[in-house]
Amino acid sequence: EIVMTQSPATLSVSPGEGATLSCRASQSVSGNLVWYQQKPGQAPRLLIYGASTRATDIPARFSGSGSGTEFTLTITSLKSEDCAVYYCQQYNTWPLLTFGGGTKLEIK
Amino acid sequence: QLQLQESGPGLVRPSETLSLTCTVSGASISGTSYYWGWIRQPPGKGLEWIANIFYSGTTYYNPSLKSRVTISVDTSKNQFSLKVTSMTAADTGVYYCARLNWNDAYWGQGTLVTVSS
Repeated sequence: EIVMTQSPATLSVSPGEGATLSCRASQSVSGNLVWYQQKPGQAPRLLIYGASTRATDIPARFSGSGSGTEFTLTITSLKSEDCAVYYCQQYNTWPLLTFGGGTKLEIK
Repeated sequence: QLQLQESGPGLVRPSETLSLTCTVSGASISGTSYYWGWIRQPPGKGLEWIANIFYSGTTYYNPSLKSRVTISVDTSKNQFSLKVTSMTAADTGVYYCARLNWNDAYWGQGTLVTVSS
């Protein structure tokens, strides 16, 4: 079973600044990774698929990178609306899926 | 527009079996190359994938839950379902049904299930 580890658990950043969220896989998942954003009381929203492709209607402030076991979600010019929990999920073992534990992004 | 809606009891007693149904609208479950699945989220915690099913009935389970979980599909009703046996407090959380593809994702709104006597 592939284990996905996200860091940091919590990140506090000021508006206008950038944030870098990390996701590590216990074994290679190639580029088969997605990122989700989840706000309180809502279902997750797909941000990035294929490790680096933005989903429909996702602003260019969100970008993903990485392959193999190391992945990064970068958010630039942070806005208060970006306050959420961000999850990575691998689908290299599709249709068996694994989520990371999440990174809570706080806007100061 | 594809929509998914979970239904089922909000309260389950310890040791009992949870039964949830997901009704799909805006698309047919049958004859497509998508998998339909369930994900859960304990209060204040992260997401846990539970199971996926293909319209033909082929199933895939999270190894950690496989012994207690059954996913099934009813194409005539455009629904798929989840059963979890021997429920405990650790199974309390929001249960989502979803169609998670490699390049898109559709989620239901989620339904809160509480395990309590």
